[in-house]
Amino acid sequence: NAGVTQTPKFQVLKTGQSMTLQCAQDMNHEYMSWYRQDPGMGLRLIHYSVGAGITDQGEVPNGYNVSRSTTEDFPLRLLSAAPSQTSVYFCASSYSGTGTQVYFGPGTRLTVT
Amino acid sequence: GENVEQHPSTLSVQEGDSAVIKCTYSDSASNYFPWYKQELGKGPQLIIDIRSNVGEKKDQRIAVTLNKTAKHFSLHITETQPEDSAVYFCAASISNFGNEKLTFGTGTRLTIIP
Repeated sequence: NAGVTQTPKFQVLKTGQSMTLQCAQDMNHEYMSWYRQDPGMGLRLIHYSVGAGITDQGEVPNGYNVSRSTTEDFPLRLLSAAPSQTSVYFCASSYSGTGTQVYFGPGTRLTVT
Repeated sequence: GENVEQHPSTLSVQEGDSAVIKCTYSDSASNYFPWYKQELGKGPQLIIDIRSNVGEKKDQRIAVTLNKTAKHFSLHITETQPEDSAVYFCAASISNFGNEKLTFGTGTRLTIIP
């Protein structure tokens, strides 16, 4: 298994540009999530999905969109990038049920200038 | 919503000594408490977890304790080694149905001094 994969690893955007961060998992996990990691703030939940066709907002959803058309993929869209979205983004997945292990991808480092 | 506080933010210990990292949470409904290790340039990786019906769990040199009354939980690493140097995050899950919504602490950078 490749686990959770993310592309790209690095990205530089100009303010106002849009882009999609890709996330895929090959473990047939129902749950997938997106987190952002900023210095001194830990990881904060952006959006999550409990299955194909079902998504919901996390703690910091503004400026981001998600959709889940398949079990495997959970892309994160930045509609109009802002410098405040400069961060490291992690995708995660797990089986359903409390206490099941959450697997994180390697991250995408995004810089918005 | 849930709030998780983590201390200390940085910790340096001599190789072979023990390290302790502490977290507190705010919502008594939280029932799952994982700990993650993050090495430079990588995603967080689960090292140990504990559920609210258990007070302590051990896995070789790593242990986690949970005090539900006080709403705090701690990570203990004994006989520390250089490869233990990393950033450690605690987290809490408030969901009754799954752990898709983890609330993280702000992290502890642990440095093992050879």
